Amino acid sequence: DIQLTQSPSFLSASVGDRVTITCRASQGINSYLAWYQQKPGKAPKLLIYLASILQSGVPSRFSGSESGTEFTLTISSLQPEDFATYYCQQLNSYPSFGPGTKVDIK
Amino acid sequence: EVQLVESGGGLVKPGGSLRLSCAASGFSFINAWVSWVRQAPGKGLEWVGRVKSKAVGGTTDYAAPVKGRFTVSRDDSKNTLYLQLNSLKTEDTAVYYCTVEVGNPSFDYWGQGTLVTVSS
Repeated sequence: DIQLTQSPSFLSASVGDRVTITCRASQGINSYLAWYQQKPGKAPKLLIYLASILQSGVPSRFSGSESGTEFTLTISSLQPEDFATYYCQQLNSYPSFGPGTKVDIK
Repeated sequence: EVQLVESGGGLVKPGGSLRLSCAASGFSFINAWVSWVRQAPGKGLEWVGRVKSKAVGGTTDYAAPVKGRFTVSRDDSKNTLYLQLNSLKTEDTAVYYCTVEVGNPSFDYWGQGTLVTVSS
């Protein structure tokens, strides 16, 4: 099974900050990585798929990149509505999710 | 507009069974791969299982913790996805979401979730 780790587990940031979340896969996943945002009591929302492709309707301040088995979600300028938990997911084999990164207000 | 509406959640005793449904609309359900994902209270997301489209065989896959106890199925004539949960354990307590892949390798759309509570 492919394992995903995320770092940090929690981060405290201010509006306007640049935020970076890292996801590492235990083996190669051929760019089959997606990022989701989840707010309390709500279903997850797709942000990025295939490591770097922005889902339609998602603000351009969100971006994704990859280097080998390390993937990064970047929010260029954090907005009030971005405070949430972020999950990475691999779909190269049976789907699995990372443990999540909670982004909180500083 | 894409809609996924789950139903069937509730309180059940350990060892019991439950069937969840997910009614889909607004997209080509017959061509979609559909999955169930669950989230235990205060925890992260866990993929449960999926059924692929009939075009690629309609086969099913399951996560290890539920294999042999849960069954995913679909009725393309009703645009509906099902999850049969048997031999339930307290650790199966979670919000269960249905979700679909409609072309890209990603879970593009999600339902609102239905809560399953397993408790005596």
